[in-house]
Amino acid sequence: DSGVTQTPKHLITATGQRVTLRCSPRSGDLSVYWYQQSLDQGLQFLIQYYNGEERAKGNILERFSAQQFPDLHSELNLSSLELGDSALYFCASSVEGDTQYFGPGTRLTVL
Amino acid sequence: EDQVTQSPEALRLQEGESSSLNCSYTVSGLRGLFWYRQDPGKGPEFLFTLYSAGEEKEKERLKATLTKKESFLHITAPKPEDSATYLCAVREDSNYQLIWGAGTKLIIKP
Repeated sequence: DSGVTQTPKHLITATGQRVTLRCSPRSGDLSVYWYQQSLDQGLQFLIQYYNGEERAKGNILERFSAQQFPDLHSELNLSSLELGDSALYFCASSVEGDTQYFGPGTRLTVL
Repeated sequence: EDQVTQSPEALRLQEGESSSLNCSYTVSGLRGLFWYRQDPGKGPEFLFTLYSAGEEKEKERLKATLTKKESFLHITAPKPEDSATYLCAVREDSNYQLIWGAGTKLIIKP
């Protein structure tokens, strides 16, 4: 158990819908990272927050957004969902710039 | 261009047959190299962080080493439960993002 929690574990929705994924980092970690992993693909970095502020952006679509709240939990919002958005979404946390610890992931299925 | 390359893409071994996985990198300045293990449908599990050339770390049947251009993950006398995809990632100076390799899928046959 890495100490990073993600909810929900599974999410099934329809095209065009909007969903919110939630992540709680390890105690003491200020950085949160979001990744997407499509079937049999590598990890694609989406975005990083540090203590509530956006720090780095990767290959994140404009339809996707994220935020980190004062209690340091983070949410990833995915809107106007397409079939191709079906994937595993992972959250990771770290002390700034150090080893990232990953959560169990949310499996999103868009029908 | 900064990049991380892992080889081989897949490796099948018999139980007890030792081998090594490779992670080569080209970055302007290495801040850290990270090894993870990922089981299907699960989040990557942290294994090792290496910071400087010559550094070595061990955990059970796994040993990670680092040079200025590459890292090796040595697996000694593997067991079927060591079957997984092993991921390598690199952090370079002045960049909080990790650069990820595509992974090596390791299959250990009993």
